Amino acid sequence: GENVEQHPSTLSVQEGDSAVIKCTYSDSASNYFPWYKQELGKGPQLIIDIRSNVGEKKDQRIAVTLNKTAKHFSLHITETQPEDSAVYFCAASYTGGFKTIFGAGTRLFVKA
Amino acid sequence: KAGVTQTPRYLIKTRGQQVTLSCSPISGHRSVSWYQQTPGQGLQFLFEYFSETQRNKGNFPGRFSGRQFSNSRSEMNVSTLELGDSALYLCASSLQGNDGYTFGSGTRLTVV
Repeated sequence: GENVEQHPSTLSVQEGDSAVIKCTYSDSASNYFPWYKQELGKGPQLIIDIRSNVGEKKDQRIAVTLNKTAKHFSLHITETQPEDSAVYFCAASYTGGFKTIFGAGTRLFVKA
Repeated sequence: KAGVTQTPRYLIKTRGQQVTLSCSPISGHRSVSWYQQTPGQGLQFLFEYFSETQRNKGNFPGRFSGRQFSNSRSEMNVSTLELGDSALYLCASSLQGNDGYTFGSGTRLTVV
């Protein structure tokens, strides 16, 4: 069935370092891959997304890459700051599915 | 513009009771999706509504139901509550259902 695997479950980095979170999806029909950030006591917030016709997308300090052949996609955060500390979720969906499947989440700690 | 509003924020119910949760989407968003979030299972899809029609449903028992009104507001109902239903219930709205979500802050349901 549909599944999104996310690694690592926990990531601790020093302020200023880069952080990388990796995901793998199972449904080859998936064509939309959003990333969400969830802070304590809040709902997840969309931070960046990528569609299957694009291999890479960047927005300031965050970037996403997509490898459709391998069914892998990744989130890269550069120059991490303490306010980047949160839980990050990758997700996948496809046109007409009307359902988004989420990874299990990565808890990112950025140490000052 | 106003975000996604979920009410109530917190609920404590007894086993066997039923509960109704409410969600008001962002103005102009016609798709509303519901998710259950627990530490062990992550974000699990419940159902998605668009123009008062349920277009997809997750693998939850029939005790979980929902509906959407003509103004796009949505409610979900859980009958015969069980201890395992304790979770954060998140509502997410989007334009079409195949795009990025805007989540509410959730309703924290505790079943005792």
